[in-house]
Amino acid sequence: RKEVEQDPGPFNVPEGATVAFNCTYSNSASQSFFWYRQDCRKEPKLLMSVYSSGNEDGRFTAQLNRASQYISLLIRDSKLSDSATYLCAVNMGQAAGNKLTFGGGTRVLVKP
Amino acid sequence: DAGVTQSPTHLIKTRGQQVTLRCSPISGHKSVSWYQQVLGQGPQFIFQYYEKEERGRGNFPDRFSARQFPNYSSELNVNALLLGDSALYLCASSLFAVGPSYNEQFFGPGTRLTVL
Repeated sequence: RKEVEQDPGPFNVPEGATVAFNCTYSNSASQSFFWYRQDCRKEPKLLMSVYSSGNEDGRFTAQLNRASQYISLLIRDSKLSDSATYLCAVNMGQAAGNKLTFGGGTRVLVKP
Repeated sequence: DAGVTQSPTHLIKTRGQQVTLRCSPISGHKSVSWYQQVLGQGPQFIFQYYEKEERGRGNFPDRFSARQFPNYSSELNVNALLLGDSALYLCASSLFAVGPSYNEQFFGPGTRLTVL
């Protein structure tokens, strides 16, 4: 089983709709969680950090469910510019070298 | 403020050659991490350096090495290149301080390495 797993998609989303997708992680000792957005052939850009049960930033809401070991990302009122690959990353903390373990990404396509 | 910078942006090498990639972190950040991203996958952790010391190493062969300089910039070296080393090499900068919020990592634009 992979340490961090994501549905690769693509999620085809009508403009203005809401889309949500999950990321599951296998290590219960994971300490912090992040969502990155990556455009084609570009670097990942930090979208949201999730340290407690959840976080909201404008149209984006991230939630953490430690009991079931997953985090979710919800995008409301989708824009064409939201089309990208969304990467989930898990950090095990400084004792584990502070490395980020990434999922394979979820591709989202917002269409007019 | 400048973000993370990496050089070169693109590189083409042949099998067996050696390559050095460079990274400068965000001003004030003392930690640099290196990741490899092959097409269609998420980034894979290679190394983390903090205060010039290696603090973490991923599951990569000894052909991969890195170092961090007193100004916190870093180099990643890959020897005896293989075709499978073709990838986007990403550098990430962070504060690496106590508290989870300081573990946020910010990526540079990457170096795209092609091995022929």
